Amino acid sequence: SQQGEEDPQALSIQEGENATMNCSYKTSINNLQWYRQNSGRGLVHLILIRSNEREKHSGRLRVTLDTSKKSSSLLITASRAADTASYFCATDAVNTGTASKLTFGTGTRLQVTL
Amino acid sequence: GAVVSQHPSRVICKSGTSVKIECRSLDFQATTMFWYRQFPKQSLMLMATSNEGSKATYEQGVEKDKFLINHASLTLSTLTVTSAHPEDSSFYICSASGLRTGELFFGEGSRLTVL
Repeated sequence: SQQGEEDPQALSIQEGENATMNCSYKTSINNLQWYRQNSGRGLVHLILIRSNEREKHSGRLRVTLDTSKKSSSLLITASRAADTASYFCATDAVNTGTASKLTFGTGTRLQVTL
Repeated sequence: GAVVSQHPSRVICKSGTSVKIECRSLDFQATTMFWYRQFPKQSLMLMATSNEGSKATYEQGVEKDKFLINHASLTLSTLTVTSAHPEDSSFYICSASGLRTGELFFGEGSRLTVL
């Protein structure tokens, strides 16, 4: 399977704390994206980082990418209860022949408690 | 932002029946649409890639006669689960790619329950 792996599988923190999720993948990529999914809902795009970028910020989100290690991390700072969701990384691999053909990681279930 | 609509959001059917799920891009033309399947507490697994006006490309292990995909226009793709069985019960999600590479928009998903 080409599916990436994420760790931890589940993460429980208190509101105000930071949450860090890690993603590892297997193939060379064009870009890596992070998505959020509330239970039973569709996916919401959070951030995209290209293979030639090492770090990207968007609001309370910080994403890093290390292509030599084939890994990425997502940091959510000052977490809120509303951040409770599953988070998935997804890679757009080189040479798939189809733009935007994503392979998703296994996901991290984040629980933020008050 | 761009919107992708899936319908129905929930469907319950009897074993042996066929179910059609629609995926529409509401405000942009989607040259490519993707269909994913997600089991509870698991990740999304790509089932097939659908290109407008051509046959869908299925991932290894996905039965194309079981999961019929039609992408007749730039705004609509349909997934038909034929002769559904309880093991087909799952959450099916579509996504649509616009003309800009890497820009992908997801539908809200359709939960299929086969009794």
